[in-house]
Amino acid sequence: QSALTQPPSASGSPGQSVTISCTGTSSDVGAYNYVSWYQQHPGKAPKLMIYDVSKRPSGVPDRFSASKSGNTASLKVSGLQAEDEADYYCCSYAGSNNLLFGGGTKLTVL
Amino acid sequence: QVQLVESGGGVVQPGGSLRLSCAASGFIFSSYGMHWVRQAPGKGLEWVAVIWYDGSNTNSADAVRGRFTISRDNSQNTVYLEMNSLRAEDTAVYYCARPLAWGSGNYYNGIMLWGQGTLVTVSS
Repeated sequence: QSALTQPPSASGSPGQSVTISCTGTSSDVGAYNYVSWYQQHPGKAPKLMIYDVSKRPSGVPDRFSASKSGNTASLKVSGLQAEDEADYYCCSYAGSNNLLFGGGTKLTVL
Repeated sequence: QVQLVESGGGVVQPGGSLRLSCAASGFIFSSYGMHWVRQAPGKGLEWVAVIWYDGSNTNSADAVRGRFTISRDNSQNTVYLEMNSLRAEDTAVYYCARPLAWGSGNYYNGIMLWGQGTLVTVSS
């Protein structure tokens, strides 16, 4: 199985909004509502930001939101802050007890 | 304190073997499925393997199937990754990871808890 497709980079100025896409297929993103998003700062372990397509774990700011349409999931970061600069990864259940990650998007806060 | 602590990483020659361990604490380990996820230097995350909460079922990614084996000892609160026939492309930080929710079937909706990772380098 190929990795989910994410843009390599995204950027925005403080206070602005940015959306990161994650494109899969009808066998993974399009088939299941098990899409999650992770934030990873350099040298650190990933952090869960979104699960079940659009739910936020406790402690994640509501500036982070997500959705899914067909085979594409999206993460929106509103009111960009300096600390949002990180790598972001999407992940989807792909059936048959398999998980699939996206290639990652480097978010730069200008 | 809820945490996962990996160990066992190191440098190994191509074709060699290594066993990673992950010690869990601060939660009811036997109620959760567990994953291994890896990240090659400068690259993205790659899912490696999953094991059900009771060890009754496992699965692994195509890239490692037949070479890597995930197992667990619920009496020791530990999950393992036995890695054989290692290749240069297996060089990565290996993370032990726990899903958001406990119980049967709750393995794939999100990975909430991550270890600090252990580096495996396959090189001659």
